[in-house]
Amino acid sequence: QKEVEQDPGPLSVPEGAIVSLNCTYSNSAFQYFMWYRQYSRKGPELLMYTYSSGNKEDGRFTAQVDKSSKYISLFIRDSQPSDSATYLCAMGGLRTSYDKVIFGPGTSLSVIP
Amino acid sequence: NAGVMQNPRHLVRRRGQEARLRCSPMKGHSHVYWYRQLPEEGLKFMVYLQKENIIDESGMPKERFSAEFPKEGPSILRIQQVVRGDSAAYFCASSPGRGETQYFGPGTRLLVL
Repeated sequence: QKEVEQDPGPLSVPEGAIVSLNCTYSNSAFQYFMWYRQYSRKGPELLMYTYSSGNKEDGRFTAQVDKSSKYISLFIRDSQPSDSATYLCAMGGLRTSYDKVIFGPGTSLSVIP
Repeated sequence: NAGVMQNPRHLVRRRGQEARLRCSPMKGHSHVYWYRQLPEEGLKFMVYLQKENIIDESGMPKERFSAEFPKEGPSILRIQQVVRGDSAAYFCASSPGRGETQYFGPGTRLLVL
């Protein structure tokens, strides 16, 4: 079983739709969770960073962490064509290797005007 | 405040040659991380360094790969005797401290002919 699993997509939605992106993980010891956005041929850009279970909102983005289910989500409201990118979930904070961040394979999102 | 700088952005090497990838962290950041991204795959952690120290190299291949972050100057990822399988995008990230947000550079795309 992979440490972090993520549906690769591609996911295609109309402009204005609500997008739901999800990851599951196997190691309950992860302590912090992140979502990154990566445009084609660019470096990943941090969107959300959270330590605890629950919701965190930033503009049109909401990150949700459910540690009991080992499941994290990113919701994008009022999606825009500029949101078209690959979204990477990531997590870290293992006691044996606190700073080692494990990434999911990414979900490719296209927002159609 | 300039972001993480990586150079070169593109590097072409023939099999057996050496590749040197450079990373200058964001101002004020003393923690550097290297990741490799293969086509259709997620980012894979390679190594975590602080100034003059390798903290975690659990993701580094045992042979041909080495990394350093000297007291002065950029961090260097060195790949000796490159093979075609080394072709990938190599990303560097930096953070101000342990467990803090990692900011990524634009990456170096290595092509081995």
